[in-house]
Amino acid sequence: GQNIDQPTEMTATEGAIVQINCTYQTSGFNGLFWYQQHAGEAPTFLSYNVLDGLEEKGRFSSFLSRSKGYSYLLLKELQMKDSASYLCAVGDSNYQLIWGAGTKLIIKP
Amino acid sequence: IAGITQAPTSQILAAGRRMTLRCTQDMRHNAMYWYRQDLGLGLRLIHYSNTAGTTGKGEVPDGYSVSRANTDDFPLTLASAVPSQTSVYFCASSTDGHNEQFFGPGTRLTVL
Repeated sequence: GQNIDQPTEMTATEGAIVQINCTYQTSGFNGLFWYQQHAGEAPTFLSYNVLDGLEEKGRFSSFLSRSKGYSYLLLKELQMKDSASYLCAVGDSNYQLIWGAGTKLIIKP
Repeated sequence: IAGITQAPTSQILAAGRRMTLRCTQDMRHNAMYWYRQDLGLGLRLIHYSNTAGTTGKGEVPDGYSVSRANTDDFPLTLASAVPSQTSVYFCASSTDGHNEQFFGPGTRLTVL
């Protein structure tokens, strides 16, 4: 079967760094996506990895290891507005996205 | 219109009633999707369309139907609503099936 695993909830302090992990088992692989979703809002695209390695975009970075079926999203210099759910999604062999349940990130002052 | 819109924003519906959720995008994206999002679960794909005139079934298609008469519109119909269809429904689009998806604001549906 197809499966995406990520922690349900994480807590971090404003100004700190947090790493949100995602492991996956899917039929085929056509890229891994990270989305941010604030409560009551729609998901918005953060990053995309299709090759192994680190992609950096401002305060956010995303890492992929295809051989390990593993990715992480790294958030630096945390701000209160980063409090949100972070969704990991993998493109399967049909280019459909398989979604994890999301990680709720709570930022404390 | 800028981006992707959905209507209604929210709806309370009696079980057994028919309901159509509307989705319109003005980005000329080929691919469109309907998801449902339930607490504790990931987004689940209901139906998709890779291009106008074609549709396909996702992970949870039962009880739902879609049509794609043109590029911009992708309505989702519940023929006879049941309480288990209570959920938040998101429409999304992408240039094609390989790229990031852009989401509409969602429709919160309650079936009583």
